[in-house]
Amino acid sequence: DAGVIQSPRHEVTEMGQEVTLRCKPISGHDYLFWYRQTMMRGLELLIYFNNNVPIDDSGMPEDRFSAKMPNASFSTLKIQPSEPRDSAVYFCASSFTLSAEAFFGQGTRLTVV
Amino acid sequence: SQQGEEDPQALSIQEGENATMNCSYKTSINNLQWYRQNSGRGLVHLILIRSNEREKHSGRLRVTLDTSKKSSSLLITASRAADTASYFCATDTGFQKLVFGTGTRLLVSP
Repeated sequence: DAGVIQSPRHEVTEMGQEVTLRCKPISGHDYLFWYRQTMMRGLELLIYFNNNVPIDDSGMPEDRFSAKMPNASFSTLKIQPSEPRDSAVYFCASSFTLSAEAFFGQGTRLTVV
Repeated sequence: SQQGEEDPQALSIQEGENATMNCSYKTSINNLQWYRQNSGRGLVHLILIRSNEREKHSGRLRVTLDTSKKSSSLLITASRAADTASYFCATDTGFQKLVFGTGTRLLVSP
């Protein structure tokens, strides 16, 4: 398996634009996580899915953020409209169980200008 | 607030020296994990220690866990320049989340 695959690796967009981040988890993993990393706040869990169902979205900062997992091999994190304070590195991770070793993707570095 | 807090925030050593990082947490845990993050990359799992374990080894890594003090330490022996990275602890409290600490930035100079 190629590991967790995220796209794009880098995204620069203007304030107000819609941004969609994509993730392909490791095959067979039942859990998928979206994290955001900034210098100020560290690594924050935004939302996670179990068997494609969102379980905990309490970390999603506001209604501008939404995440979907239409099938076991694909998830998206959407920000609409984007704001400069959304600039961060967004990681997707997957694991067999909730507390097992998490495998992280390379991240998407988002810059909103 | 963060469940795990690493200490120190930054550590600078020479190649060949040992590096010790500490993680303190606030609530009871099922297990504690350590991860490494190289600059610009995703996190990589290093080791998992369960709440009923006190010490675990993996290559040049040694992890200890003291549940009475709610703390863990990660020791990297005979450090190499390639060990330069940020190191995070993550705790499984059983409340449906794996919570990451703030990280220790390790710099190993040749």
